[in-house]
Amino acid sequence: DVVMTQSPLSLPVTLGQPASISCRSSQSLVYSDGNTYLNWFQQRPGQSPRRLISKVSNRDSGVPDRFSGSGSGTDFTLKISRVEAEDIGVYYCMQGTHWPRTFGQGTTVEIK
Amino acid sequence: EVQVLESGGGLVQPGGSLRLSCEASGFTFSSFGMSWVRQAPGKGLEWVSGVNSGGGSTFYADSVKGRFTVSRDNSKNTLYLQMNSLRADDTAIYYCARGIIGPDIWGQGTMVIVSS
Repeated sequence: DVVMTQSPLSLPVTLGQPASISCRSSQSLVYSDGNTYLNWFQQRPGQSPRRLISKVSNRDSGVPDRFSGSGSGTDFTLKISRVEAEDIGVYYCMQGTHWPRTFGQGTTVEIK
Repeated sequence: EVQVLESGGGLVQPGGSLRLSCEASGFTFSSFGMSWVRQAPGKGLEWVSGVNSGGGSTFYADSVKGRFTVSRDNSKNTLYLQMNSLRADDTAIYYCARGIIGPDIWGQGTMVIVSS
């Protein structure tokens, strides 16, 4: 199985400051069709997960543009340009290239 | 409104069985692959199973292979997860989600507790 490794696992942030989460996969996530199926999800306390980004960098409808995704191959990053209070929660990367699908361990974003 | 709604969770004894359902609405169910993802109490997300749009291809995590079966009835816009030989470590919230590459619509989840 493809192992997804996130860092850090805990990220204390100051409101208004940037934040960055790393996600590394144990195998390349480039699929035979040329796409890289790396997704990012946000889970706020007490809520279901919500997809933020698909295919490395494509923001979902309604996702603020302070969220951005980047990376290639096995190394990916989620960035929040300026953290707001509503961004508090756990963030997961997930690969959709290989079976079985796998998630990272999750990164808890909290206010410093 | 595009949504999925899970049902069927509950308390079951170790070794028992349970069938979860997920009813979809607001989109053409038969055009989308579907996934089940679970979350044990206080833990992270674990992908459990997926099925393609037609139901002919199914996929499982190693942790549930041979015990769980995913299926769908496109005439009823419903996804199922048949869970047999349940163990304590299957205790979790089970989410149904649209898509098998990057699930974009998630339900509220249904809780499954495996305990004697």
